[in-house]
Amino acid sequence: DAKTTQPPSMDCAEGRAANLPCNHSTISGNEYVYWYRQIHSQGPQYIIHGLKNNETNEMASLIITEDRKSSTLILPHATLRDTAVYYCIVRVAAGGTSYGKLTFGQGTILTVHP
Amino acid sequence: NAGVTQTPKFRILKIGQSMTLQCTQDMNHNYMYWYRQDPGMGLKLIYYSVGAGITDKGEVPNGYNVSRSTTEDFPLRLELAAPSQTSVYFCASGLGGGGSNQPQHFGDGTRLSIL
Repeated sequence: DAKTTQPPSMDCAEGRAANLPCNHSTISGNEYVYWYRQIHSQGPQYIIHGLKNNETNEMASLIITEDRKSSTLILPHATLRDTAVYYCIVRVAAGGTSYGKLTFGQGTILTVHP
Repeated sequence: NAGVTQTPKFRILKIGQSMTLQCTQDMNHNYMYWYRQDPGMGLKLIYYSVGAGITDKGEVPNGYNVSRSTTEDFPLRLELAAPSQTSVYFCASGLGGGGSNQPQHFGDGTRLSIL
């Protein structure tokens, strides 16, 4: 699985958009980009994932560059409850010789302040 | 919507004791995983299972055992507890096989202290 690089910490004002970057310059063509977050030592919570196209769901948007070497997670209107560690992970689909292991790095500590 | 349920939530063990961490999921996922997370660190994979009766080692399997007799349940056993096993343990499940890109879903964790 490709390695990812994220800034160690970021701040965001409540109500503003939080844009969390992730670099995955060695990503392979069959690897997906996943974002999870972990709030105060709770279990990691799935946010969104994508392969090539931009994705949006009720929680966030995922923007993947055309060369797929980087991506940005966007929380459109951050709240205090979005304060968490955000993990960007790349992995192949689960099946065949892949068992779908997630490799967690250090992530980005996002602090949303009033 | 129970999802992935882990029990117990907290436990304190003495060195040398044994225990089983329980994990059950109600999403009919074929793949299940056990991770541990040490303070300030990311998660590390202990064991995983791609279906009932099939288990395999992850990155840090020493000191642990697993079994998978049903699709729903994936217990993790510590036979001789050691202080190095003090950690938070997370169970996860996901759809796999046939190139599934569906995400894993995690339980709320078991916080284990070995004294």
